[in-house]
Amino acid sequence: RKEVEQDPGPFNVPEGATVAFNCTYSNSASQSFFWYRQDCRKEPKLLMSVYSSGNEDGRFTAQLNRASQYISLLIRDSKLSDSATYLCAVNRQVLMDSNYQLIWGAGTKLIIKP
Amino acid sequence: DGGITQSPKYLFRKEGQNVTLSCEQNLNHDAMYWYRQDPGQGLRLIYYSQIVNDFQKGDIAEGYSVSREKKESFPLTVTSAQKNPTAFYLCASSRGEGYNEQFFGPGTRLTVL
Repeated sequence: RKEVEQDPGPFNVPEGATVAFNCTYSNSASQSFFWYRQDCRKEPKLLMSVYSSGNEDGRFTAQLNRASQYISLLIRDSKLSDSATYLCAVNRQVLMDSNYQLIWGAGTKLIIKP
Repeated sequence: DGGITQSPKYLFRKEGQNVTLSCEQNLNHDAMYWYRQDPGQGLRLIYYSQIVNDFQKGDIAEGYSVSREKKESFPLTVTSAQKNPTAFYLCASSRGEGYNEQFFGPGTRLTVL
């Protein structure tokens, strides 16, 4: 089992719809969770950090479910510009090392259609 | 503007040659990272450095080498020992311990001919 897993998609969604996708992780000791957006042939860009209480930024809502070990990303009123690949990242504490590595999912491709 | 720069954007190399990818940041971040991304796969960690003059192997360090002589710079050398070097290479940095958000440079796309 991979440490971090995502449905690769693509998710084909009409403009204006709501879409949600999940990211599961295997290390119950993980403490930090992130969603990144990656456009084609570009670098990933931080979209949101995911907090225990959940957090919202405009049309985007991120949730953490520790019991089931997954994080989710909800996009409301989707725009054409939301088309991208969404990567999740989860920290993995390295033994004898106080700094955390991030482990990455392979990404979920989202296509918003007019 | 603060940020991370990588050069070159595209790089072509003949088999058997070593090549060095540049990564510079002016964010005053302590930690720096090198990743490799292949189509349909997540980012895989090659090397990381938490502090100047110190670095650790990631999951796929074989065939790569790094140095961290300055806080701002973390160059990656892809050696001829790397069996399949064609990939998209991404450099990232973070503030360091306790701050896990990583920020990326624009990447270098390496093609071995």
